[in-house]
Amino acid sequence: QVHLQESGPGLVKPSQTLSLTCTVSGASISSGSYFWGWVRQPAGKGLEWIGRIDSRGNIDYNPSLESRVIMSIDTSKNQFSLKVTSLTAADTAVYYCTRGSTRPTLWGQGTTVTVSS
Amino acid sequence: EIVMTQSPATLSVSPGERVTLSCRASQSVSGNLAWYQQKPGQAPRLLIYGASARATGIPARFSGSGSGTEFTLTISSLQSEDFAVYYCHQNNKWPNTFGQGTKLEIK
Repeated sequence: QVHLQESGPGLVKPSQTLSLTCTVSGASISSGSYFWGWVRQPAGKGLEWIGRIDSRGNIDYNPSLESRVIMSIDTSKNQFSLKVTSLTAADTAVYYCTRGSTRPTLWGQGTTVTVSS
Repeated sequence: EIVMTQSPATLSVSPGERVTLSCRASQSVSGNLAWYQQKPGQAPRLLIYGASARATGIPARFSGSGSGTEFTLTISSLQSEDFAVYYCHQNNKWPNTFGQGTKLEIK
């Protein structure tokens, strides 16, 4: 059974950089034709794509966030990561990591990130 | 980006009723439309993909239809566990986008 688990700080200060990691268990991140993505959800609101990466390192960022986002993949650790720079309160959300071929079919449980001083 | 508009925002229904949720795309997404269910404190769960195909383990009371810009999700007989928020999602063009959600409430 494949499982995704997000990890990272729950509280980050404004203007700082958020770093999150998604650890994949139960399957190799290099196997299959999947993309590995990040989706976020502010409290009580809808879902927003941040970006996606495949095992070859091909990346698509949401243009609305592209200037502040960096994604990477580490096949040796079976992990992929997200960095979001220049944080503001608007970045406060639950961050989900996902796996899918053309749409997310597997989701992590989500990690809550609060941007506050 | 493609804007997905769901209606209604909230629907109050009784268990056993049949309900239809709507999703409209600002431009054609062909059949590249999925529906997700989200319960409080949980990640979304894929229900329907390709506009009408049920995902693994999804009960037959869930069905999807539509193509192009107009899509519907129908739940034939609401069960207590179906009260949740439902999102449509287009994967025809990047950035993929979600609708704002329809919340099913118990009447």
